[in-house]
Amino acid sequence: AQTVTQSQPEMSVQEAETVTLSCTYDTSESDYYLFWYKQPPSRQMILVIRQEAYKQQNATENRFSVNFQKAAKSFSLKISDSQLGDAAMYFCAATSGTYKYIFGTGTRLKVLA
Amino acid sequence: DAGVIQSPRHEVTEMGQEVTLRCKPISGHNSLFWYRQTMMRGLELLIYFNNNVPIDDSGMPEDRFSAKMPNASFSTLKIQPSEPRDSAVYFCASSSGLAGPNEQFFGPGTRLTVL
Repeated sequence: AQTVTQSQPEMSVQEAETVTLSCTYDTSESDYYLFWYKQPPSRQMILVIRQEAYKQQNATENRFSVNFQKAAKSFSLKISDSQLGDAAMYFCAATSGTYKYIFGTGTRLKVLA
Repeated sequence: DAGVIQSPRHEVTEMGQEVTLRCKPISGHNSLFWYRQTMMRGLELLIYFNNNVPIDDSGMPEDRFSAKMPNASFSTLKIQPSEPRDSAVYFCASSSGLAGPNEQFFGPGTRLTVL
């Protein structure tokens, strides 16, 4: 069975600084996919970034990038040049390629002006 | 594209009443998911439909919960009778296929409060 663990219930970052959110996962599958979703106060779940396990290159989307360590089963999210609009709950998720996503418990990110 | 549409956005009801939540997936998506989000349990998958057929309902908490998808553009999640412990945010999500890790697009959610 897959599990996803986010060990940081809450993080804070100063505006314009960089923050890294941690996620570890466990799976017996050889082919799987990892995601970071953002949930702002509006409650809308928004996909931030995705990573295919077979790709060695870390995914990047503008100010968002991941550090994918396959052997360590680690998938952290780095947010550069943090903005006030980045304040939200961030969820890490994993899927083996079928429909079932396993979500972590989330990390609340606060951005300080 | 309007995205996934859910209604109502907020629902307050009394214990014992029937509650119906509605979802319109993104046009062309053939997979639909109902999730429940609570502080205690996080995001839980309740049921998954593919091509309007329920494929996995193992997450449905009990017989008080039922879900239908009569056509490709509409789904309902019904709770009858409702209980205070059903209070949560219910999300509907859709994606474009069974094969591959297709992104799930989430609706804005329905916040349900059962008094």
